[in-house]
Amino acid sequence: AQRVTQPEKLLSVFKGAPVELKCNYSYSGSPELFWYVQYSRQRLQLLLRHISRESIKGFTADLNKGETSFHLKKPFAQEEDSAMYYCALSAVSGNTPLVFGKGTRLSVIA
Amino acid sequence: GAGVSQTPSNKVTEKGKYVELRCDPISGHTALYWYRQSLGQGPEFLIYFQGTGAADDSGLPNDRFFAVRPEGSVSTLKIQRTERGDSAVYLCASSLTRGETQYFGPGTRLLVL
Repeated sequence: AQRVTQPEKLLSVFKGAPVELKCNYSYSGSPELFWYVQYSRQRLQLLLRHISRESIKGFTADLNKGETSFHLKKPFAQEEDSAMYYCALSAVSGNTPLVFGKGTRLSVIA
Repeated sequence: GAGVSQTPSNKVTEKGKYVELRCDPISGHTALYWYRQSLGQGPEFLIYFQGTGAADDSGLPNDRFFAVRPEGSVSTLKIQRTERGDSAVYLCASSLTRGETQYFGPGTRLLVL
């Protein structure tokens, strides 16, 4: 069975500090991993997917198959990064539904 | 262009009643998904449509839940004999085709009293 674990419900960091949002997964096949973000009073939106290997809004995430992790990182947090972040997983083929973690609320303190 | 829209934005009903939730996907998107998000949880998959057909309904919790997409565009999620445990935010998403980026709607917040 597919499972995504985000161990932190809430993460508070100071503006300018590094951020790391943890995500671990369990999946027997070839996974595709995603990070979704939901800003206050906005809809859920894709932040990045590991296949794209992009950096979006300064965030990066590397898929570590050995550790089954896909942690989201940013070197210098900004206040506008405060939001709810969800890690999600599907099969590389796209033929399985997205499975989401419970989410981590990031709060960036000025 | 317009994103995914969902109506109503909020729905309050009584236990035992029937409700319908509507989703308007992005024009041209053939894939449509329904998710349910309970308080403190991430979205949970309910059902996926490719065109008019339900290609995967493995996430529907029981036979009180049903969804249709008769013309391959708008979809309706139908819940019969609602229970208090059905209270959640119901999210709809669409993508150009399966495996492409999913774009989410604002959700319908359902409260069953």
